[in-house]
Amino acid sequence: QKEVEQNSGPLSVPEGAIASLNCTYSDRGSQSFFWYRQYSGKSPELIMSIYSNGDKEDGRFTAQLNKASQYVSLLIRDSQPSDSATYLCAVQLSSGSARQLTFGSGTQLTVLP
Amino acid sequence: GAVVSQHPSRVICKSGTSVKIECRSLDFQATTMFWYRQFPKQSLMLMATSNEGSKATYEQGVEKDKFLINHASLTLSTLTVTSAHPEDSSFYICSAFARTGGNYNEQFFGPGTRLTVL
Repeated sequence: QKEVEQNSGPLSVPEGAIASLNCTYSDRGSQSFFWYRQYSGKSPELIMSIYSNGDKEDGRFTAQLNKASQYVSLLIRDSQPSDSATYLCAVQLSSGSARQLTFGSGTQLTVLP
Repeated sequence: GAVVSQHPSRVICKSGTSVKIECRSLDFQATTMFWYRQFPKQSLMLMATSNEGSKATYEQGVEKDKFLINHASLTLSTLTVTSAHPEDSSFYICSAFARTGGNYNEQFFGPGTRLTVL
């Protein structure tokens, strides 16, 4: 079982719709959760971090964390073509290096104009 | 957020040569930096953890004698790909943790270095 799992996609949504990206993780001791956006040929860019159960909103982005279900999601409201990218879920595990992140394989999102 | 730079952004070299990639934290100090490699259409693969003033910690399967890491200061880590071969062609990305507020540390990535070995 992979430590961090994401649907690889591709996920396509029309412009203006809500894009929903999901991630599950296996280590119950995980404490910190991150969403990165990666455009083709570029390095990942941090867009959201979440540390406690519930929702965290930042502009058009909302991260949701449910530690009991070991599930973290990212909602993108009013999706724009510029949101088309690969979204990486990252989890800070409780074992190993204190600050090492484990990444999912990423979900490719395409927003259709 | 914190800024991490990398140099060069792109390098093409002949097989058998060595290539050095620099990673700098521009506005913060980083005792720990990470080096990743990413092949086309694949996710990030952690290669090693670079620790200032001590030896790097390599992930399983990464040859430490081939990928030399030096973290000589709190703002600079270097990755040297020795005797590069075409299979080493990849996108190499470094990252560092920076404190962004409260008690949280968040990881920021450099822009990456695309290495092509002919």
